[in-house]
Amino acid sequence: AQSVTQLDSQVPVFEEAPVELRCNYSSSVSVYLFWYVQYPNQGLQLLLKYLSGSTLVKGINGFEAEFNKSQTSFHLRKPSVHISDTAEYFCAVSEIIQGAQKLVFGQGTRLTINP
Amino acid sequence: DTAVSQTPKYLVTQMGNDKSIKCEQNLGHDTMYWYKQDSKKFLKIMFSYNNKELIINETVPNRFSPKSPDKAHLNLHINSLELGDSAVYFCASSQGGGPQGTQYFGPGTRLLVL
Repeated sequence: AQSVTQLDSQVPVFEEAPVELRCNYSSSVSVYLFWYVQYPNQGLQLLLKYLSGSTLVKGINGFEAEFNKSQTSFHLRKPSVHISDTAEYFCAVSEIIQGAQKLVFGQGTRLTINP
Repeated sequence: DTAVSQTPKYLVTQMGNDKSIKCEQNLGHDTMYWYKQDSKKFLKIMFSYNNKELIINETVPNRFSPKSPDKAHLNLHINSLELGDSAVYFCASSQGGGPQGTQYFGPGTRLLVL
């Protein structure tokens, strides 16, 4: 079974500072990786996903992530954060169960932006 | 227009009661899901339906019974509610069940069992 580990449960940063949210995965087959964001009291929405090809993936709201196969990592980065980026961020790996997609989520990282 | 909607948004009930949560998507997707998010924000899939057929059932107690009357709807009925059922339940949908797909989530239903 595939799994995902988010190494930090909380990450506080100052506004306009850079941020990196760490994610490591374990998978024995082709890997498809996702980052979802959950704003307070809302559902999740997709930030970006890695399917194949270029290891640097760009997403919405200025976020990007780099797939590193040798380190089994898929860290999320943003060069300059805003107050509005305060949210819970989930890394996920996709696997197929009986022909259906199953997303396996990490524990989540709470990103708090301080003014 | 809301892509994936859930009702109700909040649900407070007593132990032992039976309750239902409804989900509707207007994206034309053929696959729908139910997830449970616990108090520590951990998110885990419960069920997946493709074209009204149950595909994934993740060791969920029999008290939970999903029903899909058509491709656009996936409801969740819970019998004999227990304290441990308190959580946020999210519905999601995607086009096809392939591993590369993007899932679109509803706003969640916050269930509190007293």
